Amino acid sequence: AQKVTQAQTEISVVEKEDVTLDCVYETRDTTYYLFWYKQPPSGELVFLIRRNSFDEQNEISGRYSWNFQKSTSSFNFTITASQVVDSAVYFCALSDLISSGSARQLTFGSGTQLTVLP
Amino acid sequence: EAQVTQNPRYLITVTGKKLTVTCSQNMNHEYMSWYRQDPGLGLRQIYYSMNVEVTDKGDVPEGYKVSRKEKRNFPLILESPSPNQTSLYFCASSPTPFQGAADTQYFGPGTRLTVL
Repeated sequence: AQKVTQAQTEISVVEKEDVTLDCVYETRDTTYYLFWYKQPPSGELVFLIRRNSFDEQNEISGRYSWNFQKSTSSFNFTITASQVVDSAVYFCALSDLISSGSARQLTFGSGTQLTVLP
Repeated sequence: EAQVTQNPRYLITVTGKKLTVTCSQNMNHEYMSWYRQDPGLGLRQIYYSMNVEVTDKGDVPEGYKVSRKEKRNFPLILESPSPNQTSLYFCASSPTPFQGAADTQYFGPGTRLTVL
């Protein structure tokens, strides 16, 4: 079963629109970590946010905000007033224990391609 | 500057010709990892290492080898590359061993490999 689901493969918006990228995860751990990474057309991975499972406070950083809801196993990402430079692939990722419990693993979703049109 | 470097950045090779992709970090991190990125699949972990001489398989280890003889280096070895290993590869590091995959990972710039 997929552990991190990003159901939106591609999203296209016009500049200044708000856009929400969905992320649904699955884990049996009580302690886990969630991440968002951005991959611009240049290809590098840019870290955006890390949250642990005990911190359900929503977070805002400039035009970016994140909504973490344990009840629905979701960690959604909203960009307010989108800009062309926001065009990128966005990955959600989950870190939880491997089955043996001896280490943590990082599992990525399949990514959402966001295109912001001028 | 704190960074993870990978070489080469681009490589085109032929089936069966052994190759090594190097990865080096200058942050004294304990945890290092290799991922491959394929369209529609996101990033998948190949191997990881929690410390020198300690390596473990990730989700897709078949066809790959790694070694961790020094803390700073974590090369990825393809002994007999095949076309299905054509992919974008990322090396990453993070500070702590056990929690390595829970830390914020520092990613290298990526290596685009094509196997003909």
